Amino acid sequence: LAKTTQPISMDSYEGQEVNITCSHNNIATNDYITWYQQFPSQGPRFIIQGYKTKVTNEVASLFIPADRKSSTLSLPRVSLSDTAVYYCLVGFNTNAGKSTFGDGTTLTVKP
Amino acid sequence: DSGVTQTPKHLITATGQRVTLRCSPRSGDLSVYWYQQSLDQGLQFLIHYYNGEERAKGNILERFSAQQFPDLHSELNLSSLELGDSALYFCASSRRTGEREKLFFGSGTQLSVL
Repeated sequence: LAKTTQPISMDSYEGQEVNITCSHNNIATNDYITWYQQFPSQGPRFIIQGYKTKVTNEVASLFIPADRKSSTLSLPRVSLSDTAVYYCLVGFNTNAGKSTFGDGTTLTVKP
Repeated sequence: DSGVTQTPKHLITATGQRVTLRCSPRSGDLSVYWYQQSLDQGLQFLIHYYNGEERAKGNILERFSAQQFPDLHSELNLSSLELGDSALYFCASSRRTGEREKLFFGSGTQLSVL
């Protein structure tokens, strides 16, 4: 699993756009970038996955620059219910021993 | 609702005992993963099964074992329990393996060892 670096925590206010950046300098050619969201005492939930450029779904957008050494999860107009831990995974593949979730980013949305 | 079912939701037991956690994957998913999450260690990968066969092992103790049955449900057996085994145990399933794999997690089993 490509080593990832995310901020430990972030604060935001309701209605703002939140961008969480993940650094993954040693990403491999075949690696996809996947983000999960976890609420307290619940299992992580898949948010979005991408390989390059930009991916958007009903929940978030994922921006990946050409060199793919980082990625940014963008949450538009966050609400209190977006308070959670966000994990960036790169190259998940248990067959290759790549299965670690890391520490994630704790996002706190304030009123 | 992820479609992954874990039972029981809560389990309280004593040190030295043995427990079994059960997981039913989403319909059609062949892969089952087990993770342990404690307050100080985050999500730790334990073991992965694919269509009944063990595919990968993570930080799983020898006191722990798992299996995946022909109907694809999985069980995680924890024996000789210690206080430090208290944690949330998650099961996840997926349809495909490889770089584009997406995991769908159950709501977990909260194990308390007293």
